[in-house]
Amino acid sequence: GENVEQHPSTLSVQEGDSAVIKCTYSDSASNYFPWYKQELGKRPQLIIDIRSNVGEKKDQRIAVTLNKTAKHFSLHITETQPEDSAVYFCAASEEAAGNKLTFGGGTRVLVKP
Amino acid sequence: DAGITQSPRHKVTETGTPVTLRCHQTENHRYMYWYRQDPGHGLRLIHYSYGVKDTDKGEVSDGYSVSRSKTEDFLLTLESATSSQTSVYFCAISDLAPPYEQYFGPGTRLTVT
Repeated sequence: GENVEQHPSTLSVQEGDSAVIKCTYSDSASNYFPWYKQELGKRPQLIIDIRSNVGEKKDQRIAVTLNKTAKHFSLHITETQPEDSAVYFCAASEEAAGNKLTFGGGTRVLVKP
Repeated sequence: DAGITQSPRHKVTETGTPVTLRCHQTENHRYMYWYRQDPGHGLRLIHYSYGVKDTDKGEVSDGYSVSRSKTEDFLLTLESATSSQTSVYFCAISDLAPPYEQYFGPGTRLTVT
């Protein structure tokens, strides 16, 4: 089955700096890579996703890159703000096989004012 | 938030007792999923459903069963709860057609004493 590794497990950045979270996956059949943000006590919320036919996707201050050859993808948050503090999860799935997500272990991001 | 509710939101039960968690959606999405979330493990898939009466196992299905008799409801049953099943349980839904995103319910915190 699929295995997703996520690093780092914790990340502390100064407000205004950039944050980068990296994930690797094992199953070459995976073709959908979402990122979720989870605030304390809340449900995971989808913030951005990318499919294997695209190398990069951007939405305002967040961007995701995908390297299919190396089987890794990354989340980039620029100009971080205190409200970006949360736990972020990467995930991978094969859409045609039920879109069952395999999640990374999560990254706790703390943005210091 | 997508129209997903979970009940109960919190439950404390004793070892050996049966427990049923309910997920209800108003989006008419075909796919429904049950995940559990534990510290250091991210979210792990327990079971999923790809239609009424159509279900399949996920990564951590031992000790759990599911049923889906209507499109809108997906039930997760712990036949005989154990302390290792203390966790936060999230339901998610996804449509068959693009864009395939999974939307999560608010979660159920289950404690088995």
